[in-house]
Amino acid sequence: QKEVEQDPGPLSVPEGAIVSLNCTYSNSAFQYFMWYRQYSRKGPELLMYTYSSGNKEDGRFTAQVDKSSKYISLFIRDSQPSDSATYLCAMSANNAGNMLTFGGGTRLMVKP
Amino acid sequence: KAGVTQTPRYLIKTRGQQVTLSCSPISGHRSVSWYQQTPGQGLQFLFEYFSETQRNKGNFPGRFSGRQFSNSRSEMNVSTLELGDSALYLCASSEGGGLGGYTFGSGTRLTVV
Repeated sequence: QKEVEQDPGPLSVPEGAIVSLNCTYSNSAFQYFMWYRQYSRKGPELLMYTYSSGNKEDGRFTAQVDKSSKYISLFIRDSQPSDSATYLCAMSANNAGNMLTFGGGTRLMVKP
Repeated sequence: KAGVTQTPRYLIKTRGQQVTLSCSPISGHRSVSWYQQTPGQGLQFLFEYFSETQRNKGNFPGRFSGRQFSNSRSEMNVSTLELGDSALYLCASSEGGGLGGYTFGSGTRLTVV
């Protein structure tokens, strides 16, 4: 069993929908949680970065962390076709060393 | 400000050969990390270099090695290539402190035939 599990999708939604992406993890030492977006033939791009439990909002994106359930989510409001990409969750036990553990990624398709 | 630059973008090698990939971090960034991305295993951490020293290492065989130069540029080497080494190899750089400024390059696509 992988340390970080993520539904691979694909997830197909109409433009304007609210998208919910999720990851579960098993390592209770993880304290730093990130969401990356990866377009085809590109490297991952950091979207959200949170520490410990709680919510964080940035524009159309909201990240939630529930450490008690070992569950993190990314919500995308008013989804756009340009949001079509693979979304990767990543986690780390510390803020140094830069060693991230990634989920497998969820492919999202937003249809016009 | 230039991003993380990886060269070459695409590479085809024969099984048994060795290969060297290059990564130039963002100016001022002293930490460079390498990841392997495959459809089956996803993104997996290879190693991280900071100020020319390997600071962390993932669970990969010794055929995978790296180094960092005084200008923070980094290279990774894979010896005795296997078909399973076919992957997108990504490097990421950061100033060396937190994870928030972690920036990835576009990767080198390695195909082993």
